[in-house]
Amino acid sequence: SQQGEEDPQALSIQEGENATMNCSYKTSINNLQWYRQNSGRGLVHLILIRSNEREKHSGRLRVTLDTSKKSSSLLITASRAADTASYFCAFGSMDSNYQLIWGAGTKLIIKP
Amino acid sequence: NAGVTQTPKFQVLKTGQSMTLQCAQDMNHEYMSWYRQDPGMGLRLIHYSVGAGITDQGEVPNGYNVSRSTTEDFPLRLLSAAPSQTSVYFCASRDFFGEQFFGPGTRLTVL
Repeated sequence: SQQGEEDPQALSIQEGENATMNCSYKTSINNLQWYRQNSGRGLVHLILIRSNEREKHSGRLRVTLDTSKKSSSLLITASRAADTASYFCAFGSMDSNYQLIWGAGTKLIIKP
Repeated sequence: NAGVTQTPKFQVLKTGQSMTLQCAQDMNHEYMSWYRQDPGMGLRLIHYSVGAGITDQGEVPNGYNVSRSTTEDFPLRLLSAAPSQTSVYFCASRDFFGEQFFGPGTRLTVL
């Protein structure tokens, strides 16, 4: 399977701490994206990083991409209770420009 | 803009029944897709479409049909529901840059 792998599966931290989630993949990619899903809701796009980029920022989010290690990380700084959600990585494969391959997600809990 | 809309939000079917999950988007996106999400797993692609009149199978297409007669609409049909199709179904459209926009989901239970 080409499915991405995320770790940890679950993460519980105190409000104000930083949260780091990792995603690994096995194929060559065009881009890698991170999405957030609040409980019982649809997914919301957070950030897209292209294969020729190494780092990208959006507000409190920082995404890195290491194509040599086939891995990406999502860092959320100064976490808030509202960041509690599941986070998914998804990548566009070189084999198919249309399909995204999804990781199983990291469940993040921010304790107040 | 309403974005991506899905109906119904919840549905209970008996084994063997058929139904159609509706999906519509008002962003003029060419690419649309259907996913299912099961506990502990990422999204799995069922079918996708790259434009009106063009559809293709994803990772788990068996038991599902789609059609794309207009850019806006992309319905998913369950031909003969089975308990293994109990899941949450998401429709999504994609913009030119690759960002996907998701609907709120349909929670389907097959008894």
